[in-house]
Amino acid sequence: GQQLNQSPQSMFIQEGEDVSMNCTSSSIFNTWLWYKQDPGEGPVLLIALYKAGELTSNGRLTAQFGITRKDSFLNISASIPSDVGIYFCAGHPYNNDMRFGAGTRLTVKP
Amino acid sequence: GAVVSQHPSWVICKSGTSVKIECRSLDFQATTMFWYRQFPKQSLMLMATSNEGSKATYEQGVEKDKFLINHASLTLSTLTVTSAHPEDSSFYICSARRGGAWEQYFGPGTRLTVT
Repeated sequence: GQQLNQSPQSMFIQEGEDVSMNCTSSSIFNTWLWYKQDPGEGPVLLIALYKAGELTSNGRLTAQFGITRKDSFLNISASIPSDVGIYFCAGHPYNNDMRFGAGTRLTVKP
Repeated sequence: GAVVSQHPSWVICKSGTSVKIECRSLDFQATTMFWYRQFPKQSLMLMATSNEGSKATYEQGVEKDKFLINHASLTLSTLTVTSAHPEDSSFYICSARRGGAWEQYFGPGTRLTVT
């Protein structure tokens, strides 16, 4: 079941704006992952984080593994229309399988 | 690398029939595969986890006799929805994981419609 709180649930932004979303958990996670899902398709892995404090970029995307090991954020800079989709955080509590956030639905207005 | 395929991408079947969905890891060996179900505008719901050569582990509330999972090789897992009913209509997504890694790579999903 879900143990992650992901916010915001949805975002409506103008093309060119920056985006920030985050996930928090009640327990310590040893891995944080960020996925993007386009309509009618499976999620695609964007960024994987393995160490507390780790900051990783993938093009215009940047994600960080929180120091407390209980949170992570994803930033998208200079959004473009193809950034539209649902972004899911996911994480692994120790020795357990992946848990998903509820998703952040991003809409980008040209 | 890390490409996962699913077949079929969509299927329509009549109530009472069975449907098989295949999940393949195309360029890596998947020691563990997962099956998810997703309802519109909701997150992914884990149905079961399968390790190659072992029986699948089902999440609470998922009927193992209805959703048969077979993970016969390191690159193939199948989900069979038996005696399908309209309420089984959903988007089914598989994922695969390499041994020793935590990341899951997802297939493109299968849209099942039961009439």
